[in-house]
Amino acid sequence: GQNIDQPTEMTATEGAIVQINCTYQTSGFNGLFWYQQHAGEAPTFLSYNVLDGLEEKGRFSSFLSRSKGYSYLLLKELQMKDSASYLCAVRDEDYQLIWGAGTKLIIKP
Amino acid sequence: ETGVTQTPRHLVMGMTNKKSLKCEQHLGHNAMYWYKQSAKKPLELMFVYSLEERVENNSVPSRFSPECPNSSHLFLHLHTLQPEDSALYLCASSQATGDVEKLFFGSGTQLSVL
Repeated sequence: GQNIDQPTEMTATEGAIVQINCTYQTSGFNGLFWYQQHAGEAPTFLSYNVLDGLEEKGRFSSFLSRSKGYSYLLLKELQMKDSASYLCAVRDEDYQLIWGAGTKLIIKP
Repeated sequence: ETGVTQTPRHLVMGMTNKKSLKCEQHLGHNAMYWYKQSAKKPLELMFVYSLEERVENNSVPSRFSPECPNSSHLFLHLHTLQPEDSALYLCASSQATGDVEKLFFGSGTQLSVL
């Protein structure tokens, strides 16, 4: 079966750095997405990786290793507004999106 | 504001009621989706419409009935639901470009079935 694993919950301190991991086992691979979802709000697109390596976008970076079936989302200079759930999703060989259950990130002052 | 609007935001219904969820997108996209989001579970794709034609139905019970009258509007008609159907129902849209097909989500309808 197809599976995406990510930690259920993480806690970090304002101003610090946090890394949210995502591992996947899917039938084929056609890209990996990260979405952010604040409580009670719509998920919003953060990043997309299809080739190995690091994609940087401001305070957020996303890394992909296709050979290891592994990605991470790196958040720097954490702010209270970064408290949210972070969803990892992989597009498989049929271009279907396989979703993880999400990681709830709690930022403490 | 994501450009995708869902109503109502909250809905409480009994098992014998009939209700409808509405979604409207203002982005000019050609595909629309219904997802179910339950606590601590992955998003479950329910229905996909592309160019107003239903292209996917992931074995969803018949008590959920989608309708897509045009490329901007999507409905989910609900009848004789079960308590386990209580969840957040998210609508999304996208534009098929052959590359990064990002989803744009609405804020969802939080449904409680009593």
